[in-house]
Amino acid sequence: KAGVTQTPRYLIKTRGQQVTLSCSPISGHRSVSWYQQTPGQGLQFLFEYFSETQRNKGNFPGRFSGRQFSNSRSEMNVSTLELGDSALYLCASSLERQGRTGYTFGSGTRLTVV
Amino acid sequence: AQKVTQAQTEISVVEKEDVTLDCVYETRDTTYYLFWYKQPPSGELVFLIRRNSFDEQNEISGRYSWNFQKSTSSFNFTITASQVVDSAVYFCALLPNTPLVFGKGTRLSVIA
Repeated sequence: KAGVTQTPRYLIKTRGQQVTLSCSPISGHRSVSWYQQTPGQGLQFLFEYFSETQRNKGNFPGRFSGRQFSNSRSEMNVSTLELGDSALYLCASSLERQGRTGYTFGSGTRLTVV
Repeated sequence: AQKVTQAQTEISVVEKEDVTLDCVYETRDTTYYLFWYKQPPSGELVFLIRRNSFDEQNEISGRYSWNFQKSTSSFNFTITASQVVDSAVYFCALLPNTPLVFGKGTRLSVIA
């Protein structure tokens, strides 16, 4: 079966712009979580969606938002980009909420803000 | 507080050596899950193992083995007879009643 698909793989944006990242989970998985990975902070949780509802949110400013569609695909949006938003953004899908059966991660979107 | 500590930032071994990656966790939850993930240069986090807090049995899968000890809050990972393809960053993660909490990772370099 197909894995978790994240698009695009690489992105370069200018400070102040906004960006939208996409994640298609494994077929049948209803939970999608987003993580930001930076060399300094490591892997940090952004948010989790289940059945089109945000179930949990990490400690990030309101510039970071997301949504989930009825087909479980998810998007995350970052507005007014800052240099510090440069990171690898990873999406993970799970069969159920909170991933007790395990999370499957995508290859990530590497965002560079210049 | 939920926390995962991987004290080893980087480890370098020669091929065929055994190597153990340490993981210590903190949680007040009585039910939780522990994971190990591997991150090769491509960036994807590859799932290796999941263990729940009620199952302290050690596990072996090929060259990989895991030692879970609740008494010391540790979940260590051993690679036997390491290979160059094992070179990657390895993350230990905790799943209490909140999202995954990751350690900072251990970068393993296996030299031929």
